[in-house]
Amino acid sequence: RKEVEQDPGPFNVPEGATVAFNCTYSNSASQSFFWYRQDCRKEPKLLMSVYSSGNEDGRFTAQLNRASQYISLLIRDSKLSDSATYLCVVTAGGYQKVTFGTGTKLQVIP
Amino acid sequence: EPEVTQTPSHQVTQMGQEVILRCVPISNHLYFYWYRQILGQKVEFLVSFYNNEISEKSEIFDDQFSVERPDGSNFTLKIRSTKLEDSAMYFCASKGPGRHTQYFGPGTRLTVL
Repeated sequence: RKEVEQDPGPFNVPEGATVAFNCTYSNSASQSFFWYRQDCRKEPKLLMSVYSSGNEDGRFTAQLNRASQYISLLIRDSKLSDSATYLCVVTAGGYQKVTFGTGTKLQVIP
Repeated sequence: EPEVTQTPSHQVTQMGQEVILRCVPISNHLYFYWYRQILGQKVEFLVSFYNNEISEKSEIFDDQFSVERPDGSNFTLKIRSTKLEDSAMYFCASKGPGRHTQYFGPGTRLTVL
């Protein structure tokens, strides 16, 4: 089983749609969880941290299920500017070991 | 807003040559990281560095790789004898104390011919 697994997509959705991405991780000792976005040939940029209680930032909602070792990201009212690759990131060992998923590509269509 | 910087933005080298990739982390950050991303593939962790020593490294980070923080501001990645398969984008990141967020630099594209 891969350490951090994501559906690579692409997810092609119309503007205004709601889209959800999932991520599973294999290391039960993982401590912190994040969603990053990466535009083509650019560096990853933090989108949001993920907490067990769930957290929301505008149109974005992230959720963590530690029992199932599963992380999700929900994007509501998709914009063209949301088109990017969304990376699930998991850390362990006091943030010293960081594992990226392969990323899920989102294309929002006009 | 403070940011991580990396130089050069693009490095072309011959196989077998040594390269040094440079990073200037955000000034009050204490944790430093190097990652690589081969074109079309995922971001791969190479090494983390804290308190002037390596705290964690991946299987990719073999004897050909080394890191250094020579002067309290720069953080460098050295590849001793480059191979064709070292061609990738190399990202540096840094993180402040007591914080979770890593800030990434814009990357150095390394091309080994």
